[in-house]
Parts: sequence; structure tokens; C-alpha cells
Amino acid sequence: GAVVSQHPSRVICKSGTSVKIECRSLDFQATTMFWYRQFPKQSLMLMATSNEGSKATYEQGVEKDKFLINHASLTLSTLTVTSAHPEDSSFYICSARDKGGGTEAFFGQGTRLTVV
Amino acid sequence: QKEVEQDPGPLSVPEGAIVSLNCTYSNSAFQYFMWYRQYSRKGPELLMYTYSSGNKEDGRFTAQVDKSSKYISLFIRDSQPSDSATYLCAMSKAGNTPLVFGKGTRLSVIA
Repeated sequence: GAVVSQHPSRVICKSGTSVKIECRSLDFQATTMFWYRQFPKQSLMLMATSNEGSKATYEQGVEKDKFLINHASLTLSTLTVTSAHPEDSSFYICSARDKGGGTEAFFGQGTRLTVV
Repeated sequence: QKEVEQDPGPLSVPEGAIVSLNCTYSNSAFQYFMWYRQYSRKGPELLMYTYSSGNKEDGRFTAQVDKSSKYISLFIRDSQPSDSATYLCAMSKAGNTPLVFGKGTRLSVIA
């Protein structure tokens, strides 16, 4: 199946700093990528939909100024957590769909963020 | 009522058993249905994908969709300890709309 690479897989940062997470589709082009957050033993919560070349669409309750999303190319989307707080500690996962067709969504490996 | 309901389990079965996992949904606009397997601290892995109603089989896995009942199932035959994971159902209305996930069912297959 298609491959989505997410980096880093784990990051620890200090409160107040910013962290960037990258999501790349390795063998297909993705006009749309999705960012999710997952708490322990919970399902995936959609944070935002990232569209190549345009502004991301954020879900209700998600601060767009805190979670900056950039989708600069058909194979790369980034999520930057700004001014991180301990409550931002979570598992962040991206997914992408193939621009060329098909509706299967492929997921990255996830990034475990710990803010200390 | 949540859009997608899934029993979180945990579900524990002996090796070799047939496992049945299910989700119900309320929105008749859903057209695309998927099952994902997620191991601890990993991203979800796509197992099965079905469009509209019907059955689909892949090895030990069978996915069923009954749109009239708004009910989807995943069957795992000859379950193995390596099948122990959380299984998430997901669905969407169109090809580029976000997936809506169930809560996931934690499955343990005991050797």
C-alpha cells in the first residue's frame, strides 16, 4: 500500500517552545492531508484538513494560531505546535489520500509529543 | 448519538477463534468504509476498504457493509496472537472528506 512518512516519531520539548512535525507521502501525491490527535486509549480526533496551496480547515475547538499547518507541496504537510504547553502532550498522526484516485486514507507512524 | 459507535471492548479470545468486530453509524451519507489496525504507539494501518454495501475478503479478514442497517463488520478467521491490537472502523461521505472513526476495539488473542 501507499506509504506516508511522519517525522519525528518522538519529541520532547520545553514549555514555550515550538515543535514542527512533518508528514510526507512517499509514493503518491496528496492534495489533501489530515491531522489527528489521539489521547491514550481514545480514538483519533480530527484537528484539521490540510489542502495543498490553500489554508487549512480547522475543526471546532482547535486553535489555528497554536497549531500551524502548512501544505506547501503535493507530498508534504507540516504541523507546528507553537508555544507548547504540557497539555499539548499527545500522539499526533497525519494521513493522506492519493490525488490520483481512491479513497483509502494512509497514515503516518505518528509523533509522540511530550512537553516538559 | 455519536456518528459512529463501536464497542471499545476489551475483547479477549483464544488463538484460532473467529473474531467479529462491529460498528454502527447514524449518517446515511457515508459511502466509504474502512477498518484499521493500530498497535500501541503506532499509526493506524489500513486493513480493509469497502465502497457502499457488500462483502470483501482478504486472506483471514472479511469486511461486510450493510447500509440498510447502517452496520459494518470485520471478521478475523483463525485469529493469531499477532492480531492483538486495537481495531478502528472509519467511514467517510466522499473521496476527499475526513474519516470519522469509531472509538476502537481492543482485541487480545491468547496463545
